[in-house]
Amino acid sequence: ETGVTQTPRHLVMGMTNKKSLKCEQHLGHNAMYWYKQSAKKPLELMFVYSLEERVENNSVPSRFSPECPNSSHLFLHLHTLQPEDSALYLCASSQVAAGGKWELFFGEGSRLTVL
Amino acid sequence: QKEVEQNSGPLSVPEGAIASLNCTYSDRGSQSFFWYRQYSGKSPELIMSIYSNGDKEDGRFTAQLNKASQYVSLLIRDSQPSDSATYLCAVNRGFKTIFGAGTRLFVK
Repeated sequence: ETGVTQTPRHLVMGMTNKKSLKCEQHLGHNAMYWYKQSAKKPLELMFVYSLEERVENNSVPSRFSPECPNSSHLFLHLHTLQPEDSALYLCASSQVAAGGKWELFFGEGSRLTVL
Repeated sequence: QKEVEQNSGPLSVPEGAIASLNCTYSDRGSQSFFWYRQYSGKSPELIMSIYSNGDKEDGRFTAQLNKASQYVSLLIRDSQPSDSATYLCAVNRGFKTIFGAGTRLFVK
């Protein structure tokens, strides 16, 4: 396995369901990110974890709950979502260090449809 | 005012021509600047990064940064049909990397 992998690639859920998105990075990076990409809108930063500590929470509704058990894994737990939450959810990783370059490496994304 | 602004396009250029993509940003404290390419149905892929004023060249790509004008650009020389994609400008300050909405490029 190389790079950043996301599962599932596609997910359809009802508004009352609970599901989780998983991300795993094999790059040895120490920061992981969740972005949301909706049609016709810029990528929206949702959460950032550095060394397993959440360092950014960009006013995301509580129905989205992130979890970072270690520097290689990141989850996004979903519950009672709304149809407007349908989007492509992208995970990314980067190496954060003094003089770091902040280059993001993205996974292929999880396409979420909320019915 | 949007944090990162790009012309949404589409920008159409003939094969072999130079494609010029532009981006402005609002946060003067921004430190790192990137161009990502996103093919339809795919995730963004980093193609250029630039950290100081001036030009940076990598193959057919040249990134230009002017911090005083808060302006970033990407030139693609000898454009190929395979360059047809959406190009995302991204601006970083610490843990926050903010993206523009992207410019769609068509190379015919």
